[in-house]
Amino acid sequence: QAVVTQEPSLTVSPGGTVTLTCGSSTGDVTSGHYPYWFQQKPGQAPKTLIYDTSNKHSWTPARFSGSLLGGKAALTLSGAQPEDEADYYCFLFYSTASASVFGGGTTLTVL
Amino acid sequence: EVQLVESGGGLVQPGGSLRLSCAVSGFTFSSYWMHWVRQAPGKGLVWVSRINSDGGTTNYADSVKGRFTISRDNAKNTLYLQMNSLRAEDTAVYYCARGQGFAFWGQGTLVTVSS
Repeated sequence: QAVVTQEPSLTVSPGGTVTLTCGSSTGDVTSGHYPYWFQQKPGQAPKTLIYDTSNKHSWTPARFSGSLLGGKAALTLSGAQPEDEADYYCFLFYSTASASVFGGGTTLTVL
Repeated sequence: EVQLVESGGGLVQPGGSLRLSCAVSGFTFSSYWMHWVRQAPGKGLVWVSRINSDGGTTNYADSVKGRFTISRDNAKNTLYLQMNSLRAEDTAVYYCARGQGFAFWGQGTLVTVSS
């Protein structure tokens, strides 16, 4: 089964910009992996921020955006807020295996 | 209001079985793929399985293939996960989630596999 890699931890200053990335052991991440990004805070169920690379749900703050960058999926947070401190997970679909895989997660600290 | 409510978790011995349920309301259940996702204590999210809208297509993570079975009853608006031959490493909170955007998740049910 494929391995999806994320930065284990990142720190961003309040109001700053940070990019989280999501790579695949099988090669470049493409739109065909339908990348998702989830936010999870302690004791809560995950919340979906981005689906299908760059689509947002109605509740997704405008400061979050999704893209493909250098062969990886990317989640960019522009203008970080204290409430953005959380774990972030990417999620990729592998059509050849008809299976999906989560990345290991990135713990984002706003400090 | 959309609701996904998992149930059926609990303490089970290694080698035992459990069936999880996810009762859904607030949307047309029969129109959506559904997923199970788990999270071991203090660990990350792990995709477990998915099922298409009519139940005719199912997929599994390698770690549960042959032991877990996903199913659904569209008349009862309920998703299931039959878990057999349980191992200590299956200990986790199990979430159900609506596919096609993963817009909605349940709050999870805890499964503990221990003697």
